[in-house]
Amino acid sequence: EAQVTQNPRYLITVTGKKLTVTCSQNMNHEYMSWYRQDPGLGLRQIYYSMNVEVTDKGDVPEGYKVSRKEKRNFPLILESPSPNQTSLYFCASSSLGSETQYFGPGTRLLVL
Amino acid sequence: AQSVTQLGSHVSVSEGALVLLRCNYSSSVPPYLFWYVQYPNQGLQLLLKYTTGATLVKGINGFEAEFKKSETSFHLTKPSAHMSDAAEYFCAVRKANTGNQFYFGTGTSLTVIP
Repeated sequence: EAQVTQNPRYLITVTGKKLTVTCSQNMNHEYMSWYRQDPGLGLRQIYYSMNVEVTDKGDVPEGYKVSRKEKRNFPLILESPSPNQTSLYFCASSSLGSETQYFGPGTRLLVL
Repeated sequence: AQSVTQLGSHVSVSEGALVLLRCNYSSSVPPYLFWYVQYPNQGLQLLLKYTTGATLVKGINGFEAEFKKSETSFHLTKPSAHMSDAAEYFCAVRKANTGNQFYFGTGTSLTVIP
């Protein structure tokens, strides 16, 4: 089954404790993105990648890191999480020239 | 940067009535335009998209949208609302030929009244 998976689905952590949210897709898509969803703000793109080793900043990259060492994986790294990073995070992927993004189920993060 | 405006954060319609969700974008160059739906506790699902060609685009579940360049709009409509249409709807844009950078509106929550 074609899908985008994210882990963990729910995470509670404390300020400053490094964490990684994984994202994996099995569709051989070139493009991958990370978004955060906050009430009243919609979705905002954090980082995106157009292929292996090619990443770029979206609208709200501060406090986040990403890497794309393999085509199927695009982990989101919070080196020192803060409470303002409490949010619902989505990973998405799409193929070159398709424009259709497939979204993962989301990761709900609470930073205390 | 692009911006996307969705008028009305909450819209209520009666079952069987017309659904109209509004979306306007700001761009000097017509972008690619999208509507996504999000059901409770789920990810986003593509309803329809406009890239080039016919300006009236038909999507899944009976939804359609019309790209109007002169009005910089891409409003979403459905002739007859169904209870299962209750969800959050997001309009999104991507500037053509600029990689993978997307901008989303703030969303419209649709309630369908029986």
